[in-house]
Amino acid sequence: SQQGEEDPQALSIQEGENATMNCSYKTSINNLQWYRQNSGRGLVHLILIRSNEREKHSGRLRVTLDTSKKSSSLLITASRAADTASYFCATDAGQKLVFGTGTRLLVSP
Amino acid sequence: NAGVTQTPKFQVLKTGQSMTLQCAQDMNHEYMSWYRQDPGMGLRLIHYSVGAGITDQGEVPNGYNVSRSTTEDFPLRLLSAAPSQTSVYFCASSKGLGETQYFGPGTRLLVL
Repeated sequence: SQQGEEDPQALSIQEGENATMNCSYKTSINNLQWYRQNSGRGLVHLILIRSNEREKHSGRLRVTLDTSKKSSSLLITASRAADTASYFCATDAGQKLVFGTGTRLLVSP
Repeated sequence: NAGVTQTPKFQVLKTGQSMTLQCAQDMNHEYMSWYRQDPGMGLRLIHYSVGAGITDQGEVPNGYNVSRSTTEDFPLRLLSAAPSQTSVYFCASSKGLGETQYFGPGTRLLVL
């Protein structure tokens, strides 16, 4: 079974709006990562947050981690059409890096 | 640096055939892994390796074999292809488990 589950499964917004997607996981983790995948291509790393961190920023991205709730959120501010992609969270479960099911984000001009 | 390379990009197999998907990285990464991605789904871990000579099973290892004789290469073997193995296969590498994963471009496999 998947370690991480993203919510919502799909999100449609207008350019300039903020996009928030959530990830819940099942077991204790050392870190959580977010990745982006453009249609049919390999995943690209966005940001990594360690279990002792609560918030991290990278450009227009803001990631939060709540280990007590076993959840994380990814916020993309001032979204652009080029942000259209699928976004996945990934958690380290023992020796394995396990991905969630993804959120498909569509940003319309 | 070429990063992570995968060959072939696309392959069509008949049921029962065997083949090897190649994965190579030139970043001296210890951790390598294989995932499969089915339509509308996330990535499922097939096998992974924490270093040369060491491999282990992921979530969906049945029907696949791997070996890691060198740090650079991590081939994935389909022993007897089945239609259920039709998927896109991604190889990834990183310095370690808790580090940024670098993905290859993927191999699209169709099993008839």
